[in-house]
Amino acid sequence: GAGVSQSPRYKVAKRGQDVALRCDPISGHVSLFWYQQALGQGPEFLTYFQNEAQLDKSGLPSDRFFAERPEGSVSTLKIQRTQQEDSAVYLCASSFLGNTEAFFGQGTRLTVV
Amino acid sequence: DQQVKQNSPSLSVQEGRISILNCDYTNSMFDYFLWYKKYPAEGPTFLISISSIKDKNEDGRFTVFLNKSAKHLSLHIVPSQPGDSAVYFCAASDFSSGSARQLTFGSGTQLTVLP
Repeated sequence: GAGVSQSPRYKVAKRGQDVALRCDPISGHVSLFWYQQALGQGPEFLTYFQNEAQLDKSGLPSDRFFAERPEGSVSTLKIQRTQQEDSAVYLCASSFLGNTEAFFGQGTRLTVV
Repeated sequence: DQQVKQNSPSLSVQEGRISILNCDYTNSMFDYFLWYKKYPAEGPTFLISISSIKDKNEDGRFTVFLNKSAKHLSLHIVPSQPGDSAVYFCAASDFSSGSARQLTFGSGTQLTVLP
């Protein structure tokens, strides 16, 4: 497809379970971002990749959060030992370069029960 | 501490009238500002942007105004249409983050355009 694709769209996890969220950016986009959006709030930055290099992970809330983009295309956000406060929509965005408008995927809504 | 603030959680406007959505920021390093529109169950969609070297940018029915001294920007939609009903997010970025333009978002304003 032409847009940013995220899967799954919805994920329900039991507390303590590990989850993996996938992002397929727009083909050719160098920059990839992950954001977390809590209910009623705006998206908050988690981490940034330029190709396969993770240049900024300052927004990751804890060491339970890990992201990778091994071949500079698809990215995976992994959350280990999920907790209720991890419940949010996780948005992926890509841009051709970091200084152009980012295109967002539809997000993955994670609910931890 | 919220660096980008949208103080109005909701706004209702009659179809055909002007919608004005406001946004304030505190970080003077921000040099690029964007508005995103979000429908339910979809990701944010880029609408319009403005660089800090300008004070106005217009695209069809949408105009963004930037007042750097007041650290304030606004989005004007004229005329408003029912299809404009969505959540609007103001976002900002700064060059000090290097090549990465991660965005700092406000909390959004729900616009409802009444037919």
